[in-house]
Amino acid sequence: QLVLTQSPSASASLGASVKVTCTLSSGHSNYGIAWHQQQPDKGPRYLMKLNTDGSHTRGDGIPDRFSGSSSGAERYLTISSLQSEDEADYYCQTWGAGIRVFGGGTKLTVL
Amino acid sequence: EVHLVESGGGLVQPGGSLRLSCAASGFTVSDTHMSWVRQAPGKGLEWVSVLYAGDDTYYADSVKGRFTISRDNSKNTLHLQMNSLRAEDTAVYYCARDTSSGGLDKWGRGTLVTVSS
Repeated sequence: QLVLTQSPSASASLGASVKVTCTLSSGHSNYGIAWHQQQPDKGPRYLMKLNTDGSHTRGDGIPDRFSGSSSGAERYLTISSLQSEDEADYYCQTWGAGIRVFGGGTKLTVL
Repeated sequence: EVHLVESGGGLVQPGGSLRLSCAASGFTVSDTHMSWVRQAPGKGLEWVSVLYAGDDTYYADSVKGRFTISRDNSKNTLHLQMNSLRAEDTAVYYCARDTSSGGLDKWGRGTLVTVSS
């Protein structure tokens, strides 16, 4: 079964960097994913598509402070030079034939 | 510029029906896959349904047999017909453009559906 696992929370200081992790279920380590951001009381926003080899394509208007990387079944979102508006929920999302799957989300707190 | 605007949400009694719409601009809905995603109050994102460009449709198990996704090409609009609604269907419903590789790259602002007596 295709499942994405995320830590419920993360925190980092203003101006620092943070890495958010998304883990693909066993047998699915060759899947690409997408990362989405949801700021408080707003709809989701597409950040990037992240491939198995770590290459990634950011969405329109997404600053290069947001980057992605991969290692085995792990997919990462790194946010550098943290700003207050980066405080949000971050969701990974993947897909298969006739199915789309979301991780449970990681709530990022900017200290 | 790509825009998606959902409408049709509201308060409905358990067992009732509702039809959501998603008006698209800046691209043609029939040329791409389109998905519905929902978010219950205080919860995470849950995929609901996808309509492929080739007309195949797929649903989450939680809505299979009750919800129907469709599109009106003449109005460049996506729909979600929701029947036999339950309290657990209460959520904000978002439509999203679904790329050929499966990433949802454009989102609407959502419409709230509340199922309650």
